[in-house]
Amino acid sequence: EVQLKESGGVAVQPGGSLRLSCAASGFKFHDYAMHWVRLPPGKGLEWVSLISWDAVTAYYADSVKGRFTTSRDNSKNSLYLQLSSLRPEDSALYFCAKANRNGFNLDGFDFWGQGTTVTVSS
Amino acid sequence: SYELTQPPSVSVSPGRTATIACSGDKLGDKYVYWYQKRPGQSPVLVIYQDTKRPSGIPERFSGSNSGNTATLTISGTQTMDEADYYCQTWDVTTGVFGGGTKVTVL
Repeated sequence: EVQLKESGGVAVQPGGSLRLSCAASGFKFHDYAMHWVRLPPGKGLEWVSLISWDAVTAYYADSVKGRFTTSRDNSKNSLYLQLSSLRPEDSALYFCAKANRNGFNLDGFDFWGQGTTVTVSS
Repeated sequence: SYELTQPPSVSVSPGRTATIACSGDKLGDKYVYWYQKRPGQSPVLVIYQDTKRPSGIPERFSGSNSGNTATLTISGTQTMDEADYYCQTWDVTTGVFGGGTKVTVL
């Protein structure tokens, strides 16, 4: 059974930093691109970033480019998102999600975690 | 930047057909994915690559994509289908979601 479990969400002040983690199990993690998607309160889904299966390629939404960094450790079946220079508009439920097909970066997301909440407020 | 436009809401009677449109420039040239999001739950992929259903998704869910519009159709809508639905595509290397459509079954 595929499982994704996010952690690390906290309340932080504007300008602050934190790291989110996503623990994966039940599939060959090293074969799949992984994504972060967020859901701000009262708003719609927003794609944040992707990282290729081999961590060679990473892409970001314009709204987070230069502030967020995604990484992965295939030996630990883990995905990470480093958030810095945080703004109130970054407050959201952050999901990690698995790409639908192995080897494809630009694909749909067939499994999602339960999400972890980031709140940016003074 | 590329945008996907969805109607904010759609209402449907139980057993009838719900149709959700998603529009974008030359969207038919791209693959479209559809997600169901119920309150308090994680999103679920219901359609991928325009028309394909993942394992476990009921046959009443179907998709199409042509020209500037992709469509998610729910045939024989059930009360359990009440949820927000999002279309999604790729603009080069950027993921793009539509604003979401709230489907109400009443």
